Amino acid sequence: KAGVTQTPRYLIKTRGQQVTLSCSPISGHRSVSWYQQTPGQGLQFLFEYFSETQRNKGNFPGRFSGRQFSNSRSEMNVSTLELGDSALYLCASSSADSYNEQFFGPGTRLTVL
Amino acid sequence: GQNIDQPTEMTATEGAIVQINCTYQTSGFNGLFWYQQHAGEAPTFLSYNVLDGLEEKGRFSSFLSRSKGYSYLLLKELQMKDSASYLCAVRGGDSSYKLIFGSGTRLLVRP
Repeated sequence: KAGVTQTPRYLIKTRGQQVTLSCSPISGHRSVSWYQQTPGQGLQFLFEYFSETQRNKGNFPGRFSGRQFSNSRSEMNVSTLELGDSALYLCASSSADSYNEQFFGPGTRLTVL
Repeated sequence: GQNIDQPTEMTATEGAIVQINCTYQTSGFNGLFWYQQHAGEAPTFLSYNVLDGLEEKGRFSSFLSRSKGYSYLLLKELQMKDSASYLCAVRGGDSSYKLIFGSGTRLLVRP
């Protein structure tokens, strides 16, 4: 089984721009969670989607949004980028069969200049 | 509030044993996870505890005490490749898979 894939792996944007990141979960996994990882804050939960519905949301401003498609692929969007949005964005997928584990993708490294 | 604490850095010697502690205060509890993360890579799953006690998996063991809000990860026969960050994470009491992570413990294994 292929693992979780994320595209792009690296991205450089400037302040004020917007960005869309993509995540394809492991085949059969219906839950996709997004996390932001920075040196200062560690791994912080952004949101979780399950069967195309947002099931949980972290404490991030409304500039951060996401969605999930019928094939379980997920996208997250950040609008009006700020310097502080520079981070590693990780996607993780889970299924009822693997309730004990979240499988992480390699991440997208976003740099905002 | 929700809080997970673990030491920032630890150093140990190849072949030795190291214990990484984690204390947590969360609203609801549905399991505690340990992940390993090498620099520049994604976290990989190490262990899961939901009941009190010790779970052993090869060189790695994890312990949980729910009444004390405490867990530890024990690494035996340390190898150089064990140099990495170790992340403690708690799943809350709701139905989602959301994990709350500690800041991670950076472990350096020296020859």
